[in-house]
Amino acid sequence: DAKTTQPPSMDCAEGRAANLPCNHSTISGNEYVYWYRQIHSQGPQYIIHGLKNNETNEMASLIITEDRKSSTLILPHATLRDTAVYYCIVQGDSNYQLIWGAGTKLIIKP
Amino acid sequence: GAVVSQHPSRVICKSGTSVKIECRSLDFQATTMFWYRQFPKQSLMLMATSNEGSKATYEQGVEKDKFLINHASLTLSTLTVTSAHPEDSSFYICSAGRLGNQPQHFGDGTRLSIL
Repeated sequence: DAKTTQPPSMDCAEGRAANLPCNHSTISGNEYVYWYRQIHSQGPQYIIHGLKNNETNEMASLIITEDRKSSTLILPHATLRDTAVYYCIVQGDSNYQLIWGAGTKLIIKP
Repeated sequence: GAVVSQHPSRVICKSGTSVKIECRSLDFQATTMFWYRQFPKQSLMLMATSNEGSKATYEQGVEKDKFLINHASLTLSTLTVTSAHPEDSSFYICSAGRLGNQPQHFGDGTRLSIL
């Protein structure tokens, strides 16, 4: 079973920030939080990952709570091309297997 | 970012045919490659994990004699669906990973349709 829970769907207006929450209350000390997204009929795309500090790259920001039991992926200025299913996954650095939950279907509306 | 090439992108063939799908890591040496299957409106399901030069590890319920995996080098893994039947029709996706705190990188998937 997936170690994370996410809302099944979210809407966001184009140009606004999209904030996608994820709960991972059973995360272990050596497990990272990874975010991927899957645009329809394509392979998943890596977005960002982190251990305990907040992270930012050219695609998104990742905010991890101090207790590490939840996190939020932020797409600062959502575009229509950001419409996809977003997956939050926890993974240890010695175990490659990704356990995929249902993810959040994010719809960006014009 | 890292590039993983998966080929072919789409296959349509008759029942009983064997189909080979290739997964290449183009710009890094992948210590481990993964094969997933995804049915419509469902999440990815891991089929098997393969390490270069060793036998693949299959997930429960996945027939190793039907889904043959070869991982001959650090940049190439193949999945052969033997004697495919309509129920094998699905979206097959590969990914490549490296040791340590590194994300997996995915191919664009192969849509397999068995008539």
